[in-house]
Amino acid sequence: TQLLEQSPQFLSIQEGENLTVYCNSSSVFSSLQWYRQEPGEGPVLLVTVVTGGEVKKLKRLTFQFGDARKDSSLHITAAQPGDTGLYLCAGVKTGGTSYGKLTFGQGTILTVHP
Amino acid sequence: DAGVTQSPTHLIKTRGQQVTLRCSPKSGHDTVSWYQQALGQGPQFIFQYYEEEERQRGNFPDRFSGHQFPNYSSELNVNALLLGDSALYLCASSSLGRQFFGPGTRLTVL
Repeated sequence: TQLLEQSPQFLSIQEGENLTVYCNSSSVFSSLQWYRQEPGEGPVLLVTVVTGGEVKKLKRLTFQFGDARKDSSLHITAAQPGDTGLYLCAGVKTGGTSYGKLTFGQGTILTVHP
Repeated sequence: DAGVTQSPTHLIKTRGQQVTLRCSPKSGHDTVSWYQQALGQGPQFIFQYYEEEERQRGNFPDRFSGHQFPNYSSELNVNALLLGDSALYLCASSSLGRQFFGPGTRLTVL
């Protein structure tokens, strides 16, 4: 059972377009992470958001954490072919018996056409 | 500084066989976590090792077991392989913080 729902699952756009990927959960997480994974490689961390309402920018990527710390979004401005890949959100719960275990969404496969 | 390494890169087994996958953590990391990633899905947490002990476990059957050695490297063992065990197995290492992932081992069960 996926505790984190990502949408859309697939996204195919033209270079220069904007896009948003959503990550929603019924659970509260200590923090939420976004990863990018390319074929034949493991996920690479893009950003960690910790505070409800937090917004972080990484060049053309903007990440937002919901006020209730249950949802997040990734917005890419002016997408480029190099942005193509699998984007994963992962919730982190700490404290108690949760030692930083990551709970992943099912991922969004983004294809940016030149 | 080498990152997280995993071996082998690819593996083909038949149903009922047993398999051992290996992971060497990033230098300075003492915690190793294992994840299973089925095709088109996000990774699913299998278990985590710290100080040579299994510290926490996901929703996987006892056929999945592991080990951590004094040098912090780790093995994942899967017994009585099923077709549904075909996946990319990812190892991630950490030390009180961010997890770094290896490239994974692609296991195919025929």
